[in-house]
Amino acid sequence: NAGVTQTPKFRVLKTGQSMTLLCAQDMNHEYMYWYRQDPGMGLRLIHYSVGEGTTAKGEVPDGYNVSRLKKQNFLLGLESAAPSQTSVYFCASRGLAGGVYEQYFGPGTRLTVT
Amino acid sequence: EDKVVQSPLSLVVHEGDTVTLNCSYEVTNFRSLLWYKQEKKAPTFLFMLTSSGIEKKSGRLSSILDKKELFSILNITATQTGDSAVYLCAAVLSGGYQKVTFGIGTKLQVIP
Repeated sequence: NAGVTQTPKFRVLKTGQSMTLLCAQDMNHEYMYWYRQDPGMGLRLIHYSVGEGTTAKGEVPDGYNVSRLKKQNFLLGLESAAPSQTSVYFCASRGLAGGVYEQYFGPGTRLTVT
Repeated sequence: EDKVVQSPLSLVVHEGDTVTLNCSYEVTNFRSLLWYKQEKKAPTFLFMLTSSGIEKKSGRLSSILDKKELFSILNITATQTGDSAVYLCAAVLSGGYQKVTFGIGTKLQVIP
């Protein structure tokens, strides 16, 4: 039981490049979330999903797209990376019956855009 | 605009000291308050507080919520080096997807 895993752990992109961050959970959770964490800003929700095939915007969705084709996976895409997207990205998941406090976080992906 | 403010931003104490971390919030439709511990990687859940005046306790950590004054404190007694981490406070809002607004955290360093 690995919990929530994220790949890659680190990535450096040049401005304008694209990439996809993968989040996988093996707890059969319904809800999945993508956050970014920046110095002095706290964790901010980018997008979330309440089930397979559904996604919704969070607080800071611009410049990102997501997909939830399989229940266990939640993908975060950057189509044209910008330096402002340099951040640490965390994925989280929780079960349908669980409260939001029962989010399980992944280990994070550190992304640098030059 | 919903906001959560934590203080102090950083703190250095010696092992054995007692520390108090503060969290104030201004949000619409407050539901509950969360505390997390973040050591280098993923945040891990510590407490959820929903009712005023009821202390939650886990070992040397305890927390309480004051819904009238809109703040919470996290106490750590007899600190150990393993308590060194960033402590995050977050307010959960009612409705919708239960939006969670995080503070920027308090960085605690416990030195031997």
